[in-house]
Amino acid sequence: DQQVKQNSPSLSVQEGRISILNCDYTNSMFDYFLWYKKYPAEGPTFLISISSIKDKNEDGRFTVFLNKSAKHLSLHIVPSQPGDSAVYFCAASLYSGGGADGLTFGKGTHLIIQP
Amino acid sequence: DTGVSQDPRHKITKRGQNVTFRCDPISEHNRLYWYRQTLGQGPEFLTYFQNEAQLEKSRLLSDRFSAERPKGSFSTLEIQRTEQGDSAMYLCASSLSPGQGTHYGYTFGSGTRLTVV
Repeated sequence: DQQVKQNSPSLSVQEGRISILNCDYTNSMFDYFLWYKKYPAEGPTFLISISSIKDKNEDGRFTVFLNKSAKHLSLHIVPSQPGDSAVYFCAASLYSGGGADGLTFGKGTHLIIQP
Repeated sequence: DTGVSQDPRHKITKRGQNVTFRCDPISEHNRLYWYRQTLGQGPEFLTYFQNEAQLEKSRLLSDRFSAERPKGSFSTLEIQRTEQGDSAMYLCASSLSPGQGTHYGYTFGSGTRLTVV
C-alpha cells in the first residue's frame, strides 16, 4: 500500500527548460511534504518543503506546489541545469508536534538533464 | 561539524552472522532516525530517537533488529542472525525537533550498504 506515489521513474529535460516532477499521496492526514535529491553513493539531501496550510513555496530555482483537494504536489525546477541530474524523492509527514514524524517516501524519479 | 557520519560504508556478511552499524549525527541535533532503502524503492522508516529515548519503531523492525542511542549522541543499529532479505542500504538521519508549524528537513548520512551472502 503505497501512500506516496511518484509515477514517473524517470524524466529527461533539456538544459535551460523547466523540469516538473510530480507526486501523489493517498493519506489525507499528511500535513507536511518534502522533496529530497539524491546522487549515487550519497544520502538524500533535503531540497524544499511545504506545509499543508500553504499551496506554494519557492526557494531560488525550486518551487513546490501543493493541491490538497487533488492530493497532489509537484516540484518545478527553472531553469534546469546539468547538476540537477539526480533521483528526486517526494516525502510526506504526519506532523504532530512531538509525536512520531517518520517520513513516508515515494520511489523516486530519476531526472536527467540533457545538454 | 562534517554532517552525519555512518560507519562502515559497506559491509558484506554471511547469512546468520550479526552486524552492527554506527551513526554519528550532527552534534546539535536531538533527533536521530534510521531508514532502510532497497533497490528501486524510497527510504523506509525504521525507528527514531529523541535524545536517548527510542520513541517509535516501525513494524519493519523485526525482533532481530535493535537500535540504541545510549548517551543521546551516536547510535548503533544491530541486526542479529542476518538474512538475505536484510540486504539494503541503511541510512541514518538527524534533525532538530519540529517547531510550531515547522518541519526541519533531515540531514542524511551516506549510508551503510549491507550485503548478506
